[in-house]
Amino acid sequence: DVKVTQSSRYLVKRTGEKVFLECVQDMDHENMFWYRQDPGLGLRLIYFSYDVKMKEKGDIPEGYSVSREKKERFSLILESASTNQTSMYLCASTKGQLSGANVLTFGAGSRLTVL
Amino acid sequence: DAKTTQPPSMDCAEGRAANLPCNHSTISGNEYVYWYRQIHSQGPQYIIHGLKNNETNEMASLIITEDRKSSTLILPHATLRDTAVYYCIVRVGPSNTGKLIFGQGTTLQVKP
Repeated sequence: DVKVTQSSRYLVKRTGEKVFLECVQDMDHENMFWYRQDPGLGLRLIYFSYDVKMKEKGDIPEGYSVSREKKERFSLILESASTNQTSMYLCASTKGQLSGANVLTFGAGSRLTVL
Repeated sequence: DAKTTQPPSMDCAEGRAANLPCNHSTISGNEYVYWYRQIHSQGPQYIIHGLKNNETNEMASLIITEDRKSSTLILPHATLRDTAVYYCIVRVGPSNTGKLIFGQGTTLQVKP
C-alpha cells in the first residue's frame, strides 16, 4: 500500500523554538506539498516542490521554509515557532505534474501546538 | 480560478444513498472535478475525479452535468464510516503548480 508518512502525529513546542516536520513518501512521486488546516479556513497551501531541491511558495509561506534534498523526503521548517502556527499540518504527494489524471495522497497529519 | 460551492452539512440514513452536490459554475474546459473526504483527525482521502463523463469506482459515483457547472457525488449505500467532510475541488493553475484549493466542504453525518 502506498504511503505518505509524517514523522510526528502530535507535537508541543514553545514560542521561538525551531520546528522540523518531516514527510516521507514511498511512491517515487515527483511532487510534494505542505498544507495547514485550521477550523473555518480549510486547507491552505504553504509550499510545494516538484523536484529535488526545487520549491515553490504556496499561498501562505510566511514564517515557513522547506527542504527537499531527496526525492522521497520533504521537510517543513518553522524557524521560530509562534502561537499562530498552532495548526494541523498535512503533507501530500503526487506523481509527475499535477495533471487532471493525478491525485494527491495525503499523510495522516501532524498536529502542532505552540505554547 | 474555478471555485466550488457546497452545502455546509447533510445528513443521511445508514444504508441509503448519499448525494452530495457541488456547484462549479466558472469551471474551464480543461479543469477536472475531484472529490476528497476527510475523516476526523486524518488526512484527506481521494475518492474520485472526472472531466466530462460520469465516473464510478468502488467507493462512489460522480455525476457531472452536461454544462459541467455542477456535479454530484453519490455514495450508494452509506455506512457510519462514511461520516466525514467531503470536499469538491477543481484543479486550478498551470499543470506544474500543484495547487488544489480546498473549500469548506460538506460535513456528511450518516445516522443509524
